[in-house]
Amino acid sequence: DARVTQTPRHKVTEMGQEVTMRCQPILGHNTVFWYRQTMMQGLELLAYFRNRAPLDDSGMPKDRFSAEMPDATLATLKIQPSEPRDSAVYFCASGFSGTYNEQFFGPGTRLTVL
Amino acid sequence: AQKITQTQPGMFVQEKEAVTLDCTYDTSDPSYGLFWYKQPSSGEMIFLIYQGSYDQQNATEGRYSLNFQKARKSANLVISASQLGDSAMYFCAMREEKGAQKLVFGQGTRLTINP
Repeated sequence: DARVTQTPRHKVTEMGQEVTMRCQPILGHNTVFWYRQTMMQGLELLAYFRNRAPLDDSGMPKDRFSAEMPDATLATLKIQPSEPRDSAVYFCASGFSGTYNEQFFGPGTRLTVL
Repeated sequence: AQKITQTQPGMFVQEKEAVTLDCTYDTSDPSYGLFWYKQPSSGEMIFLIYQGSYDQQNATEGRYSLNFQKARKSANLVISASQLGDSAMYFCAMREEKGAQKLVFGQGTRLTINP
């Protein structure tokens, strides 16, 4: 049963610390998405990769957030330095480009910045 | 501009009844897809059903069906014979062909099924 995996599932950190979230997309998928979910903003896209190339990161605060795909099996989202307003659930999703198939979501990383 | 609108923040339904969750969308792209996801209290996002803008028939998946009215730009989710396990947040989402294939989500509807 193929699934998107995310680590860690929960992270509590202090303001100013670096946070790295990891995602393993489903094998064979060529698109990876990072979404953030908060009560106020709902679900919003942060970054999108196709074939490991970043295509859209317009939703991401560039000064502190960075997203990469060092290889096809790993996507990372890094926050440095973290701030309390970054507290949210961060979802990774993967899928195929070129079709309207669904995006498969990972279980999310719940981040709390104190 | 809001692209996906879910006007029902919360709904309460009696078990075994059918329920309709509303979703309207806005796009000028003739090619797009509409999705519904379920998010139970555990937090994961579960794909339920998909409707393409060129699909002639309404999509169905088990107890889920999508009432697609293209001219009205609505894509309501219908759940037949509701069960207690259907209690969750439900999100409508749209993907435009020209929009880098990202999903744009509505604010969600919290559905509570009463025994």
